[in-house]
Amino acid sequence: AQSVTQLGSHVSVSEGALVLLRCNYSSSVPPYLFWYVQYPNQGLQLLLKYTSAATLVKGINGFEAEFKKSETSFHLTKPSAHMSDAAEYFCAVRGGGATNKLIFGTGTLLAVQP
Amino acid sequence: NAGVTQTPKFQVLKTGQSMTLQCAQDMNHEYMSWYRQDPGMGLRLIHYSVGAGITDQGEVPNGYNVSRSTTEDFPLRLLSAAPSQTSVYFCASSTRSRESDTQYFGPGTRLTVL
Repeated sequence: AQSVTQLGSHVSVSEGALVLLRCNYSSSVPPYLFWYVQYPNQGLQLLLKYTSAATLVKGINGFEAEFKKSETSFHLTKPSAHMSDAAEYFCAVRGGGATNKLIFGTGTLLAVQP
Repeated sequence: NAGVTQTPKFQVLKTGQSMTLQCAQDMNHEYMSWYRQDPGMGLRLIHYSVGAGITDQGEVPNGYNVSRSTTEDFPLRLLSAAPSQTSVYFCASSTRSRESDTQYFGPGTRLTVL
């Protein structure tokens, strides 16, 4: 069965600092992994996704994530945080079988301090 | 394209009342799903549909019904609302052509059951 674990429910960084949000996955098949962002009182927006084409995936708003099979990780990074990055971030893995269902982590709330 | 739309945005119910949460998409997506979001639990799949006339249960289906009579619409019915169903509900849709297809989320419905 597929699952994801997000380490750290709350992360706080200073503006301009590195952002690192951690996600580890468990999957019995080659995984398809996603990072979504949720701004306050809004729906989820796709940041980036891993589809096995490249291990380093670049997304929107300067975010990127690296797929590391040996560590079963898919951590999200951004070199320099902006105030506008304050949001909740969800890692997800595609569930197995013929459906497109996503299995989500519990989320990480990112705060950016001025 | 309006994408995925949901109505209402907010709803307050009394225990035992029934209601329908509406979801519509204009992208001709085969796959549609309903998730609920609760603090500290991420998003959990309630029901999903792989096409008109085909629905199936997700992780937390109890107390909810769905139907899919058209490609565009996927309503979620609460049969007899309970306080445990207080949550934020998201509808999502995607194609089914590839396993990596992106799911697009609606803005959500915030439901409170008193």
